Amino acid sequence: AQSVTQLDSQVPVFEEAPVELRCNYSSSVSVYLFWYVQYPNQGLQLLLKYLSGSTLVESINGFEAEFNKSQTSFHLRKPSVHISDTAEYFCAVSERTDKLIFGTGTRLQVFP
Amino acid sequence: EPEVTQTPSHQVTQMGQEVILRCVPISNHLYFYWYRQILGQKVEFLVSFYNNEISEKSEIFDDQFSVERPDGSNFTLKIRSTKLEDSAMYFCASSTGTEQFFGPGTRLTVL
Repeated sequence: AQSVTQLDSQVPVFEEAPVELRCNYSSSVSVYLFWYVQYPNQGLQLLLKYLSGSTLVESINGFEAEFNKSQTSFHLRKPSVHISDTAEYFCAVSERTDKLIFGTGTRLQVFP
Repeated sequence: EPEVTQTPSHQVTQMGQEVILRCVPISNHLYFYWYRQILGQKVEFLVSFYNNEISEKSEIFDDQFSVERPDGSNFTLKIRSTKLEDSAMYFCASSTGTEQFFGPGTRLTVL
């Protein structure tokens, strides 16, 4: 069975500092990996995805994640965060058209 | 840009009442899903739907739950007799087969 572990429930960081949100997964088959962001009182927005090909994927707002098969990880990074990045971030895994399995989420709090 | 829509945004109901949550998936998508998120917890899979039938359901999706795609555009989740523990945010999602696009959610409050 698939599972996703997000070890950090909360990550406080100052504005313009770098951040890494950790995600590890377990699966016996090839998977797709995703990061979703949830702003307060809003739905889930896809931030970035790994389906195949290059192991480094990037979003339009400066986030990137690297798929590491040997470590079964898909950590999310940003070199310089903004106040507006404050949100809940969910890592998720799926097998193609299968259901998404979500981690417990990491609350990123950016302070001025 | 096409998006998934959900109605209502907030539903308040009495315990034991039936509720229907509605979703309009993106028009060319073939795979449909319902998830729920209890306040402060992670998002949990409920059910997936493809080719007019349920393809997978979770342990949460018991006999009180049902899904339907009545007219080729709407995708509904019905809870026959709501319980207090059904209070949650319910998200609909649709997909062409890879990434899933989520609606804004319906907050269900059972009193």
